[in-house]
Amino acid sequence: DAKTTQPPSMDCAEGRAANLPCNHSTISGNEYVYWYRQIHSQGPQYIIHGLKNNETNEMASLIITEDRKSSTLILPHATLRDTAVYYCIVRVNWSARQLTFGSGTQLTVLP
Amino acid sequence: DAGVTQSPTHLIKTRGQQVTLRCSPKSGHDTVSWYQQALGQGPQFIFQYYEEEERQRGNFPDRFSGHQFPNYSSELNVNALLLGDSALYLCASSIQEGSGTGELFFGEGSRLTVL
Repeated sequence: DAKTTQPPSMDCAEGRAANLPCNHSTISGNEYVYWYRQIHSQGPQYIIHGLKNNETNEMASLIITEDRKSSTLILPHATLRDTAVYYCIVRVNWSARQLTFGSGTQLTVLP
Repeated sequence: DAGVTQSPTHLIKTRGQQVTLRCSPKSGHDTVSWYQQALGQGPQFIFQYYEEEERQRGNFPDRFSGHQFPNYSSELNVNALLLGDSALYLCASSIQEGSGTGELFFGEGSRLTVL
């Protein structure tokens, strides 16, 4: 699976959009981009995933560049409960269950 | 609908001892994976069980072993504990085949401290 690069930490004001970047320059054509987050002392939680098109669900939006070498997770209206470590993961396909976690981005939402 | 449940939530062992951790997958899920998360790091894949067999394994020694039961629940066993085995052990369940997003559902974890 392709390696990902994320900033170690980011801050965001409550109520504002949080934009979390991820670089995956070695991504292959059949690899999906997944985002999980881990709130302190809890297990990781699935957020969203995509292949090449932008995706949106009730939690977030995922913007993937045309060349697929980077992506951005957008939390449109961040709340204090969104403070967590966010992991960007690239893997071959959805049926491959193993996830390779990096160090992630610690997002802190400030009041 | 209960999610993934793990037990115990916390435990303390001494070097050389053995430990067994347990996991019940989310209802309807047939695949269980185990991850080790050291403090300040992302989770690391240990192995995955499906149809009571180990299907994939990460870079972990044979001291780490597992089992899956007919009801899809699973156990993780670690023998000859080392100080470095202190970590949060996470269980994740999923559906092996069929439709869905392919997401994994994680439990809250079992925090193991080795003294």
